[in-house]
Amino acid sequence: EIVLTQSPATLSLSPGERATLSCRASQSISSYLAWYQQKPGQAPRLLIYDASNRATGIPARFIGSGSGTDFTLTISSLEPEDFAVYYCQQRSSWPITFGQGTRLEIK
Amino acid sequence: EVQLLESGGGLVQPGGSLRLSCAASGFTFNSFAVGWVRQAPGKGLEWVSTISYSAESTSYADSVKGRFTISRDNSKNTLFLQMNSLRAEDTATYYCAKHPYSTGGWFDPWGQGTLVTVSS
Repeated sequence: EIVLTQSPATLSLSPGERATLSCRASQSISSYLAWYQQKPGQAPRLLIYDASNRATGIPARFIGSGSGTDFTLTISSLEPEDFAVYYCQQRSSWPITFGQGTRLEIK
Repeated sequence: EVQLLESGGGLVQPGGSLRLSCAASGFTFNSFAVGWVRQAPGKGLEWVSTISYSAESTSYADSVKGRFTISRDNSKNTLFLQMNSLRAEDTATYYCAKHPYSTGGWFDPWGQGTLVTVSS
């Protein structure tokens, strides 16, 4: 099973700042990584698929990068609605696995 | 618009059974894999199971293998999850979600979820 480790667990930033979230895989997953955003009481929403492709309707401030074992989700300038929990997910091999999540909170 | 609507959650005793349903609309259901992901209260996401477009292939997390069965009715655009021998640790919100391919991939979109509580 491929383990995904997200860091940091919690990130405290202010609107307008740049956020950098990390996801590290226990073995190479090529570019088969997705990122999701989840707000309280809501289902997760796909942001990025295959490491760097924005899903439909996702603003350009969300940028995915990386390949192999190290991946990054960058939010270039935080908007108030961006404060949420973010998860990464790999589809390289079964079982599908998720990272434990990064909570992005307002400083 | 692609929509997924789960139903069937509720309170069940340990050792009991429950069947979840997910009604799909807005896309050609029989062309895509679909799956279930759960989230225990206050916890992260855990993939549960995926079924291919034709139901020929199914995959399960080790935590549910042998107890849960995923199935689909392409004539009714509906996904199912039969859950048997339920345990307290199965308590979670269960989401159904569409994959982008016939056999798997990422999840988009997700349903709103249905809560399953296993407790005596």
